Amino acid sequence: DGGITQSPKYLFRKEGQNVTLSCEQNLNHDAMYWYRQDPGQGLRLIYYSQIVNDFQKGDIAEGYSVSREKKESFPLTVTSAQKNPTAFYLCASSMAIASSQPQHFGDGTRLSIL
Amino acid sequence: EDQVTQSPEALRLQEGESSSLNCSYTVSGLRGLFWYRQDPGKGPEFLFTLYSAGEEKEKERLKATLTKKESFLHITAPKPEDSATYLCAVLHLTGGGNKLTFGTGTQLKVEL
Repeated sequence: DGGITQSPKYLFRKEGQNVTLSCEQNLNHDAMYWYRQDPGQGLRLIYYSQIVNDFQKGDIAEGYSVSREKKESFPLTVTSAQKNPTAFYLCASSMAIASSQPQHFGDGTRLSIL
Repeated sequence: EDQVTQSPEALRLQEGESSSLNCSYTVSGLRGLFWYRQDPGKGPEFLFTLYSAGEEKEKERLKATLTKKESFLHITAPKPEDSATYLCAVLHLTGGGNKLTFGTGTQLKVEL
């Protein structure tokens, strides 16, 4: 079955700690995205990548970093500079960047502060 | 300012009671509108894409329609398993290229 796998499902961060969220897809999609979902707000774009070794900042990139070393993988690091990291993080992919084809989502990682 | 607004924020229906969810948008250069279903603790699941005014798509008890300013998701004779949050997202043209803007969702609860 093709899809997007996010891990872990739940993650806890201590003060001053960097944490990394995993996202793997086997849909053979070129474009991948990271969103943050907070209660009462629409999904907000953190970073996106349209090809290996290339990625761009989204609307709320401060305090986050990403890499794209393989087509299938797009990990997100939440750094200690992100002062309000508690949220539900969603990874998505699509055939191409800003394509008229829909984005498909993983089942998310919920990050909380210890 | 580009905006996507969903209403109502929450909706409670009795099983079998049909209704509609609204997604209104003020954007330049609509490229497409997407509907998703999201269950608690899960990622959004794709339902429909609409590209131009007058277009309609159907899947089981759901029917999505599109006008120049809004989209409706009609739910006919809903069942408890239709309970979820329904999100719409609008793909539109900006100075920096295409952008996808999400609404905040409608939380639907269908009761027996």
